[in-house]
Parts: sequence; structure tokens; C-alpha cells
Amino acid sequence: NAGVTQTPKFRVLKTGQSMTLLCAQDMNHEYMYWYRQDPGMGLRLIHYSVGEGTTAKGEVPDGYNVSRLKKQNFLLGLESAAPSQTSVYFCASSFRGENGYTFGSGTRLTVV
Amino acid sequence: GQQLNQSPQSMFIQEGEDVSMNCTSSSIFNTWLWYKQDPGEGPVLLIALYKAGELTSNGRLTAQFGITRKDSFLNISASIPSDVGIYFCAGMNYGGSQGNLIFGKGTKLSVKP
Repeated sequence: NAGVTQTPKFRVLKTGQSMTLLCAQDMNHEYMYWYRQDPGMGLRLIHYSVGEGTTAKGEVPDGYNVSRLKKQNFLLGLESAAPSQTSVYFCASSFRGENGYTFGSGTRLTVV
Repeated sequence: GQQLNQSPQSMFIQEGEDVSMNCTSSSIFNTWLWYKQDPGEGPVLLIALYKAGELTSNGRLTAQFGITRKDSFLNISASIPSDVGIYFCAGMNYGGSQGNLIFGKGTKLSVKP
């Protein structure tokens, strides 16, 4: 049982490049989330999804897009990367928001 | 929006000592959660609290849901080196369209061997 799997684990981008982070969960969870973690800032919600085909903005959505075409996958896209998007990105999933979230192990992204 | 104040931000303790940390909110929650994050990993759920006044233990960890529903506390007894990491509190009001967690900024725990 893999839980929540994030790919890639590390990535370096040049300013202006685009990329997609993939999150996959095998727990049949309805809800999925993307967070970013910065030193001293804790975890901040970027976007989330409450079911296949649905997405919604979180606290810090600017510069990111998401898609949930399949229940088990939640993709986070950066169309034009900026140095301010250097961060560690975590995906999480939950069964309808209850009982806490299960987190992936993170993607460390550096934009130069 | 809702904010959580978690304290202390960091602490160094002697192995074997007890540890206390807390989290306060400007508004009420109906769920409080405590997570631990090890270096290079994602947060892992330690304890979940669903009822005001609830006291729940997980091994050497004990957490309480404050009576006012605006705070929560985590205690670690007889700390050991593997307790090192960042502890996050999180509050949630599920039942609406979101059920989103609001996280504190974390307490970084370092243990002197």
C-alpha cells in the first residue's frame, strides 16, 4: 500500500520554465490537496479538490494550476516558474476531509 | 482568515525531559490534529481530537482539545532522540464544502543526547 506518492522528488527549473508535479493516491480518497512549505511559514494550501473533475483555490493559488481528471491523481502545474515558487511541495489526501490527511513525502523545487 | 499561533517556535531539551507545546486560534474548530514531520518527509498524523475537553494519548504523547475549542496542547513525556522533528498543530471545521486544515507554523524540537 503506497499511500500518497509524489513525483518528482527534486527538480531545478529556470525562471519562466513550466512543469507539472504529479500526486497519486491508492486509498480511494475523495479529497486531495496541494500545499507548499516554506521556512517559518508552515504549510499553506495552494489548491484542493473534493472529487474527480473538481478543483478549488486555497490560500496561495496564484501562479499555479491544478487538474483532477482521475480520482487517484492530482496534478499541480507551474506555467511560468518564478524564484518565489522555490519551495517544498506536499500533496495530501483524505476521505472527505475527516480524520486528518495522509501526506506524500514532498517535492523540493528550486527555481533559479 | 483563520490563523493558528503555535508556541514555542523551537526548543532544546535534555533527553528524558517532558515537553509541552500549544496552539491557539482566533476562532473555534471542531477538530484538532497534531502532526510530526521528520527531515525530508511529509507530516505524519500523531493524534486527532474531535471533542472539546477530549484528552487522547498515543504512547508517550498526550494531546488535549481545549474547552473553548480555540486551543490545543501536546505533551511528550520522557523525550528520546527520535522525538526530534517539527510538530504541527492543525485545526479543521469539516462538514462544509472544504474540510480544509489550517496549520500552525510548527514547533521544532531538538533533543540534546
